[in-house]
Amino acid sequence: GQQVMQIPQYQHVQEGEDFTTYCNSSTTLSNIQWYKQRPGGHPVFLIQLVKSGEVKKQKRLTFQFGEAKKNSSLHITATQTTDVGTYFCAASNAGGTSYGKLTFGQGTILTVHP
Amino acid sequence: DGGITQSPKYLFRKEGQNVTLSCEQNLNHDAMYWYRQDPGQGLRLIYYSQIVNDFQKGDIAEGYSVSREKKESFPLTVTSAQKNPTAFYLCASSIASGRINEQFFGPGTRLTVL
Repeated sequence: GQQVMQIPQYQHVQEGEDFTTYCNSSTTLSNIQWYKQRPGGHPVFLIQLVKSGEVKKQKRLTFQFGEAKKNSSLHITATQTTDVGTYFCAASNAGGTSYGKLTFGQGTILTVHP
Repeated sequence: DGGITQSPKYLFRKEGQNVTLSCEQNLNHDAMYWYRQDPGQGLRLIYYSQIVNDFQKGDIAEGYSVSREKKESFPLTVTSAQKNPTAFYLCASSIASGRINEQFFGPGTRLTVL
């Protein structure tokens, strides 16, 4: 089945430093979504990218979708302690028959030291 | 107050027993999903349903069963055939339309098999 590789698995930063997590697929993706899961919580949708080369921003968060639609990144500028959690990418295949089915990356666990 | 509910939050069972996890949503979503989350492995899809009385196997369906008799409900049974059932189980729902939509997650059930 489809696989989405996400790196790094862990990232420890000092408050104020930047953070980036990457997702890569060997196949072309229809779209990619990003979710955040706070410690002890459940995943919460952040954003969806659909177009090749798309860039979207949410305050300090910048999301990118690669030109070939095979990779994506989430960048946080000047991290804060409230950014702590696990960030997941989730993707669906282009032309896939399993409508609605998402494949999640392994997630990147972000810790922020004050 | 719309949302997804899962109960109970923590569940303990003896090895060899079947156990059913509940998932209810009042968001009027057609699509519902069950995921399993283990440390370092992200979310893996167990089963999903796009419409009442229909469901499809996900990536790790062995040892699990589901039913979708009502739009609002999508219970998951963890059978004794599941070799390693201890995990965090998440239910999600989404609008089923002509495009991939964000998924809304319930709070999860942490199952421990003793």
